[in-house]
Amino acid sequence: KNQVEQSPQSLIILEGKNCTLQCNYTVSPFSNLRWYKQDTGRGPVSLTIMTFSENTKSNGRYTATLDADTKQSSLHITASQLSDSASYICVVISNDYKLSFGAGTTVTVRA
Amino acid sequence: DAGVTQSPTHLIKTRGQQVTLRCSPKSGHDTVSWYQQALGQGPQFIFQYYEEEERQRGNFPDRFSGHQFPNYSSELNVNALLLGDSALYLCASSLDGLSSGNTIYFGEGSWLTVV
Repeated sequence: KNQVEQSPQSLIILEGKNCTLQCNYTVSPFSNLRWYKQDTGRGPVSLTIMTFSENTKSNGRYTATLDADTKQSSLHITASQLSDSASYICVVISNDYKLSFGAGTTVTVRA
Repeated sequence: DAGVTQSPTHLIKTRGQQVTLRCSPKSGHDTVSWYQQALGQGPQFIFQYYEEEERQRGNFPDRFSGHQFPNYSSELNVNALLLGDSALYLCASSLDGLSSGNTIYFGEGSWLTVV
């Protein structure tokens, strides 16, 4: 069964600090991995898309890494802002177009 | 350019009723997927439509059905509603499936409450 596990479930950080979110998956055959930001009650918004051959990809203050050998990915948020408070969801897509979602990590940034 | 639009945004139904949710994909996109997201959980894949055909389906009962029209818009139908069907229903569109590099755009979702 394809699974995507995210950790931590939630975290609280102070504005200006950095944090790293983890995503481990067992999806096979792997096509690509995506990180999404979802504000409460809103639809997810794409942050990064990473294919098998990509190790790192940045989008502003968001940097995602991928280790396809160990089937692990991380999302690093640099110099956090209050607007970063949201749920961050890891999505892994298999070659047969199936999406597997993690449960998300809820990030709360406090002033 | 409008993104993915969904309607209605909120609705309340009683157990046993039927509901239809609608989705218009981003302009130029031909692939539409539907997801169910319970409160505090990640989205669960329901099914995907491409060129008016259901291409993939998740672990949802036959009460969940859908359709894609020639203009690529889509409907999600749920029959015999259960309390557990209460959730945010998300529609997402993309171009030519979910090939590597194709961005998937999500709508804002339809909140369904079953009482």
